[in-house]
Amino acid sequence: NAGVMQNPRHLVRRRGQEARLRCSPMKGHSHVYWYRQLPEEGLKFMVYLQKENIIDESGMPKERFSAEFPKEGPSILRIQQVVRGDSAAYFCASSPGQGKKKTEAFFGQGTRLTVV
Amino acid sequence: QQQVKQSPQSLIVQKGGISIINCAYENTAFDYFPWYQQFPGKGPALLIAIRPDVSEKKEGRFTISFNKSAKQFSLHIMDSQPGDSATYFCAASIANDYKLSFGAGTTVTVRA
Repeated sequence: NAGVMQNPRHLVRRRGQEARLRCSPMKGHSHVYWYRQLPEEGLKFMVYLQKENIIDESGMPKERFSAEFPKEGPSILRIQQVVRGDSAAYFCASSPGQGKKKTEAFFGQGTRLTVV
Repeated sequence: QQQVKQSPQSLIVQKGGISIINCAYENTAFDYFPWYQQFPGKGPALLIAIRPDVSEKKEGRFTISFNKSAKQFSLHIMDSQPGDSATYFCAASIANDYKLSFGAGTTVTVRA
């Protein structure tokens, strides 16, 4: 049973380029979350999605960041016109969304974005 | 504003000792309190979790103590081993909200 799969594991982008981060949730999980972790800090919530719906994007920067979770395929976190301050580890998590353990979130290995 | 405050930032313990990490929260609507363990270069892994209807939960060498009136909860690692050396995060969420509010993390180093 594969866990949460994220790719790429490492991504290097020049300032002004676009970054696309992908996340496939665990089998049977319908809820996806994206978190950002800056060096020496805890994880900060960015966005919560269900299939084809953004449920809560209160942690997303207002500009340049967007997320989607299409009917088919992985969830995508997209960062346009990256700046050095976007350099961080981005983690995706998924949870069942129903049942006794509906809120139990499992994290992927993360994508480490470096903006040069 | 951090909703969950975690301390200490780091701690060193001898093999066989007890590691204790504390967290405090303000939002009384929180009703799910998980702990995550993270090794360098890896994602956080769910370690143990508790809900406010119990005051303690134990899984192997890991124990969560929960004090609802004080709005505090803690993780105890008994008989600490070098393999326990990692960063530990406490977190909290509201039942129908799902998103987790994380503490800043505690780096635990277990010396052999």
